[in-house]
Amino acid sequence: DAKTTQPPSMDCAEGRAANLPCNHSTISGNEYVYWYRQIHSQGPQYIIHGLKNNETNEMASLIITEDRKSSTLILPHATLRDTAVYYCIVPDDMRFGAGTRLTVKP
Amino acid sequence: GAVVSQHPSWVICKSGTSVKIECRSLDFQATTMFWYRQFPKQSLMLMATSNEGSKATYEQGVEKDKFLINHASLTLSTLTVTSAHPEDSSFYICSAQTGRGYGYTFGSGTRLTVV
Repeated sequence: DAKTTQPPSMDCAEGRAANLPCNHSTISGNEYVYWYRQIHSQGPQYIIHGLKNNETNEMASLIITEDRKSSTLILPHATLRDTAVYYCIVPDDMRFGAGTRLTVKP
Repeated sequence: GAVVSQHPSWVICKSGTSVKIECRSLDFQATTMFWYRQFPKQSLMLMATSNEGSKATYEQGVEKDKFLINHASLTLSTLTVTSAHPEDSSFYICSAQTGRGYGYTFGSGTRLTVV
């Protein structure tokens, strides 16, 4: 089984921030958390990853709790093209959970 | 950087024939590659992990004699679906460990339809 759990779906208004949570309560001390997204019929696309510090890149921000048992991916200004299934995974496992289907609405 | 090329992007084959899918790392060496299968509206299901120069490790329930994986070089892994049947129709995706900041890079996937 995957080491991560996520809500099955979320909606977000275009231009607003999308906050996608992920629980990874069994993560070990040296395991990273990676986020990917998948648009229909394509391979997953890398978004961001982190260990324990918050991270930011041109696509998103990643907030990791101090106990590392959960994290939140933030898309600061969601666009319609951000509609996709978002997955958080712990690479040592490489098994995907069900992910969160994010729908950005106009 | 860290590109994985997967082809074909789609293939239609007759029942009983075999199909080979290739996964190449273009600008890095991939000692470890992963193969996934994805059915409509479902998540990616890990089929096997392949390491260069050794036998692949298959997930429970995946038939290793049906899904042959070869990882003969640091830039190429292949998945051969042998004696394909309609129930093997699916979206197959490979992934490679980059050893860089991108972690793991995925191919664009192969849509297999067995008729």
